[in-house]
Amino acid sequence: LAKTTQPISMDSYEGQEVNITCSHNNIATNDYITWYQQFPSQGPRFIIQGYKTKVTNEVASLFIPADRKSSTLSLPRVSLSDTAVYYCLAVTYKAAGNKLTFGGGTRVLVKP
Amino acid sequence: DSGVTQTPKHLITATGQRVTLRCSPRSGDLSVYWYQQSLDQGLQFLIQYYNGEERAKGNILERFSAQQFPDLHSELNLSSLELGDSALYFCASSVGGSSTSTDTQYFGPGTRLTVL
Repeated sequence: LAKTTQPISMDSYEGQEVNITCSHNNIATNDYITWYQQFPSQGPRFIIQGYKTKVTNEVASLFIPADRKSSTLSLPRVSLSDTAVYYCLAVTYKAAGNKLTFGGGTRVLVKP
Repeated sequence: DSGVTQTPKHLITATGQRVTLRCSPRSGDLSVYWYQQSLDQGLQFLIQYYNGEERAKGNILERFSAQQFPDLHSELNLSSLELGDSALYFCASSVGGSSTSTDTQYFGPGTRLTVL
């Protein structure tokens, strides 16, 4: 079972790039890593997903090195509205039963 | 709006009572997931159902149970409630969830349970 570990919090300033790393040991061969964003009292929202190397969409980039023991979510040029909690998720699909492991979440505070 | 609906939005009850939380997945989604989030805590995965069958079990207490009905909506039953059960309960849904690791989960707005 993959165990995911994230920093508890990080601060940044508007316009800067924020990088959040999630460590996931024992990740299975077929596991994808997914990142979610959550605002207070709201359900998490999908940001990005990847398997290996780098994936980029309109809001973020995700880098997963070849050994896949970690992944880094990159938020370019953050704004105040990016203040939220960010979670990484590893899912292992097995016939005997799936395993879902969310990281503890990283609270990102963007300052003016 | 994710397309996942949860009822009720708020629920206040007393210790020892039993409550039922309801979730309707997005149209076409076969999987439903339940999560518990206590105040200022992370997401704790409880259980997943896929097309009516249990597919994954997390840290779900024996006092809690869930099921997914033929119309794919799901209910989470919480019994013998304790003060510590007060939390936000989220439901999420995804298209697959049986053998596809790329499934994206779409979360509902949550049900806030307060146990007094």
